[in-house]
Amino acid sequence: QKEVEQDPGPLSVPEGAIVSLNCTYSNSAFQYFMWYRQYSRKGPELLMYTYSSGNKEDGRFTAQVDKSSKYISLFIRDSQPSDSATYLCAGYQAGTALIFGKGTTLSVSS
Amino acid sequence: GAVVSQHPSRVICKSGTSVKIECRSLDFQATTMFWYRQFPKQSLMLMATSNEGSKATYEQGVEKDKFLINHASLTLSTLTVTSAHPEDSSFYICSAARDSYEQYFGPGTRLTVT
Repeated sequence: QKEVEQDPGPLSVPEGAIVSLNCTYSNSAFQYFMWYRQYSRKGPELLMYTYSSGNKEDGRFTAQVDKSSKYISLFIRDSQPSDSATYLCAGYQAGTALIFGKGTTLSVSS
Repeated sequence: GAVVSQHPSRVICKSGTSVKIECRSLDFQATTMFWYRQFPKQSLMLMATSNEGSKATYEQGVEKDKFLINHASLTLSTLTVTSAHPEDSSFYICSAARDSYEQYFGPGTRLTVT
């Protein structure tokens, strides 16, 4: 079992929809959780990171961590065509490299 | 912001030659730099972790003699693919960690070996 599991999609939504992207993880030692956005043929871009459980909001994006169920989510409100990309979740444990999920491909149609 | 650059962005080389890829953190000093490989529609595969002034730590299955990593300073790491073969064709991405958990990625280098 991979440490971070993520449904690869693809996920297709109309413009303006609320998008929910999810990951599960198995490593209880993860302290930080990250969401990256990767456009085709580009490097990943750090969107948000959270420490421990709870929510963190940044504009249209909300990251949520539920450590009790080992579940992390990224919500995108009022989705735009420019949000079309692959979204990667990752967990971090001190002294190790980030562990990435496989990524979910999102397509927002206008 | 935290900007990481990579050079070149795209390279085509002949089989048997070596290729060097540079990764620079432009506006911060990186405690650690990472090198990844990504195949089409696949996730990032960590190849190695490097700290300035010390030898890189390679992931299992990654040939250290083939993928030479040099971390000369807190802002520069290089990956040299030696004696490249077509199966080495891939998208190589570096990242730099400002803090231990806060990693910023370069734009990637697309390597094609003919």
